[in-house]
Amino acid sequence: AQTVTQSQPEMSVQEAETVTLSCTYDTSESDYYLFWYKQPPSRQMILVIRQEAYKQQNATENRFSVNFQKAAKSFSLKISDSQLGDAAMYFCAYRSGAQGGSEKLVFGKGTKLTVNP
Amino acid sequence: KAGVTQTPRYLIKTRGQQVTLSCSPISGHRSVSWYQQTPGQGLQFLFEYFSETQRNKGNFPGRFSGRQFSNSRSEMNVSTLELGDSALYLCASSLDGGTVRKLFFGSGTQLSVL
Repeated sequence: AQTVTQSQPEMSVQEAETVTLSCTYDTSESDYYLFWYKQPPSRQMILVIRQEAYKQQNATENRFSVNFQKAAKSFSLKISDSQLGDAAMYFCAYRSGAQGGSEKLVFGKGTKLTVNP
Repeated sequence: KAGVTQTPRYLIKTRGQQVTLSCSPISGHRSVSWYQQTPGQGLQFLFEYFSETQRNKGNFPGRFSGRQFSNSRSEMNVSTLELGDSALYLCASSLDGGTVRKLFFGSGTQLSVL
């Protein structure tokens, strides 16, 4: 079974600075997808960024980018120019490419990000 | 377009009772998934429905069940509640379960079992 590990339970960053959240995963599959989700106090999970394993280029969405190291099974999230609204729980998630159309995700335990003004 | 709607937002039950949670997906979405979120176990996949059929199931006891209706609305039921069932239950929908699509989550139902 696939597992996702987030080794940083909590992180903090100063407003306008850059922070990197770590995620490692364990899988024997070659076809899979990785995601970062944000969960603010409203509890609604919001997709931040997504990476297909077959793509070598790291995904980027505005101030959010990933460092995808397939051989090392590492998938870190970099947040640039941090804003107060970025404060939330961040979850790394894995989706197998071998589960038909199922959207089942395996989540890490999360990292609580605090942004200091 | 309305987002994923989960009702109720909060629920308090006692051990041994049963509970039904509801999820209305975004209009046009046919895939609905359920997750249990607890401080100890994190987010765990419960089950997924697509076009009224259970497509995938997580590792939960048979007390946890679900269904999907023809309008794609979904319900999950937990029978004989235990204290450990206290959790945030999240529902997510996607447009088409046949390809990897973006999941849209609701704000969850917070269940407390006393």
